[in-house]
Amino acid sequence: QVTLRESGPALVKPTQTLTLTCAFSGFSLSTSGMSVSWIRQSPGKALEWLARIDWDDDKYYNTFLKTRLTISRDTSKNQVVLTMTNMDPADTATYYCARALSNQRSPFEPWGQGTLVTVSS
Amino acid sequence: SYVLTQAPSLSVAPGQTARFACGGDNIGVNSVHWYQQKPGQAPVVVISYDSDRPSGIPERFSGSNSGSTATLTISGVEAGDEADYYCQVWDISVGHAVFGGGTKLTVL
Repeated sequence: QVTLRESGPALVKPTQTLTLTCAFSGFSLSTSGMSVSWIRQSPGKALEWLARIDWDDDKYYNTFLKTRLTISRDTSKNQVVLTMTNMDPADTATYYCARALSNQRSPFEPWGQGTLVTVSS
Repeated sequence: SYVLTQAPSLSVAPGQTARFACGGDNIGVNSVHWYQQKPGQAPVVVISYDSDRPSGIPERFSGSNSGSTATLTISGVEAGDEADYYCQVWDISVGHAVFGGGTKLTVL
């Protein structure tokens, strides 16, 4: 059974750096074809894809946020980490991680439960 | 960047058919995935690869994709289908996932 779980601070101050961890089980990110993405959803808004890391350590970033995002993995711990710098209240959102295949055709399945991050002073 | 367009809302009476459109430039050549998201929950795939129904998804859910529009259809809508529905594709030119703006289904 594949599961993912996000963790990180519930509250960050403007200008701070956010670090989120996605801990997963049931698959290995070292396995050919695997990929993990981060996706966020501001309150009442649509889903927004943020970043992706593949089994071969290829990384892709949302064009509009790429200067602020870094995605990395720890294959020994089955974790993917996302950092976002210079946080702003507009970054208040529920952040999800989800698995897909790196063939750029598959759906996101499954998703983690999400973690709500509020940006406020 | 690639854009997917969805109507913000759809209202359907119980037992009727709900059709959700997802518009995109030549979307028919992409694989489209549809997600259902209920309040406070993570999205769940209801249709993948245009028309495949994952295990556990009722036969009432179906999908199609051609030209510039992909469509999710729910036949015999039930109160429990009330949720937000998102379409998604991959923009393979840049390796990014793209989501539509979502359609909120209200069951009257």
